Order: sequence, then structure tokens, then C-alpha cells
Amino acid sequence: QVQLQESGPGLVKPSETLSLICNVSGGSISSYYWSWIRQPPGKGLEWIGFIYNSGNTNYNPSLKNRVTISVDTSKNQFSLKLSSVTAADTAVYYCARKYGLPSWFDPWGQGTLVTVSS
Amino acid sequence: DIQMTQSPSSLSASVGDRVTITCRASQSISTYLNWYQQKPGKAPKLLIYAASNLQSGVPSRFSGSGSGTDFTLTISSLQPEDFATYYCQQSYSTLMYTFGQGTNLEI
Repeated sequence: QVQLQESGPGLVKPSETLSLICNVSGGSISSYYWSWIRQPPGKGLEWIGFIYNSGNTNYNPSLKNRVTISVDTSKNQFSLKLSSVTAADTAVYYCARKYGLPSWFDPWGQGTLVTVSS
Repeated sequence: DIQMTQSPSSLSASVGDRVTITCRASQSISTYLNWYQQKPGKAPKLLIYAASNLQSGVPSRFSGSGSGTDFTLTISSLQPEDFATYYCQQSYSTLMYTFGQGTNLEI
């Protein structure tokens, strides 16, 4: 079955760019939609955006100016870049597959905590 | 944006209880509503998709219903492993997926 694993720095300085990778195993990244979702400590879930393997993307309007999601089919992984980060971007970042129509998120990666601090 | 409002925000219950959590959308979303369970330190887990469809491997004590703006998640007989936070999520608006604020189910 498909499994997802996030990786990347756990600490990012304010104003810098947060970069994370989600590795997909147990299945091909092609022909599916892939998403990033985040959760600030002690708070709820916020959808960041998704990408299709063709490169089509859709982003949360509140983050759109700072977010880039890309896919590397040769490595079976997709990535998140969030620029000009502030403390408000401190969160656990999850990658997930967007599946079905109407769609839902399943499975999810285990999540990775990214702290924005100098 | 479509706003999702869950009630209650927290709930105390006992093993064996029947529990219902409500999710209301700010506009009609047909049956484009999913439910997730999240335990501390873990990723959310899909329980119910498209309002009433039980995800494979999820116990049958979980059920979902509703359409339009009002939805419910019901746990027919609470088990110790069910104490967690539950989130609803709409997928009607593909421009902006949104989650409810969560319902913390406590012993």
C-alpha cells in the first residue's frame, strides 16, 4: 500500500524559505493528486495546496503568494516550498494523497514539525 | 470560503456510550464531506468519505450521515481507542478545502 514520508529541516529562520519533501513508496506518484496540509501546535488543520503529476496545482488563497508545490516523478516524490516564513508558519506539516471524487485525503504521512525561529 | 463548524468542540463520554458529533457547512456541499480521527502526536486518519462511506478497515461502530449543510458522525458504542480528536472536511470547493475546528472526545 502507498506510504508517505516527509523530510526536511526542523528549524527555519524568519524570512527564509521552508522546504520539505514527501517521498511516496508502495505505488506510483503518477495519476494521483498530492497535497500538503499543516497543523500549528495545539490547533486545527489547514490545507496548503495540491499538485497533479502533470504539474497542475491549486493553492490555499491565503498562502498562494508564498507557496510552490512541485513533483518529481523520477524520484516518486513531491515537494513544498513556503517563502518569507514567520513564526505563524510554525506547524506540523503533513503530506497526503488526495483521492477519489468527491475527494478525500488518504493516506497521510506521519508529519514533520517545522519551527520558525532565529 | 466554505466555513465548517463542528459541535461540540469538546465532549466527555464513557466507554459504551453512543456519541454524535455534528458538522455544519456555511453553504450546501451536497455529500462532499469527510471525517478524520486524530490521536495525539499522530497524523489524521480517514474514517468516513463522501458523508456516509466507511473507509476500509474502519470499525462498523463508526457511521456518517447528512447532506447539504448538516452532517453527523456517530460512534455507536465507544471503545477506549476512540478517544481522540475528530475533524470534518469539505471537498465541495476544489479552490479551497476546509476543515472543521475539531471535536475533542475525552473520557
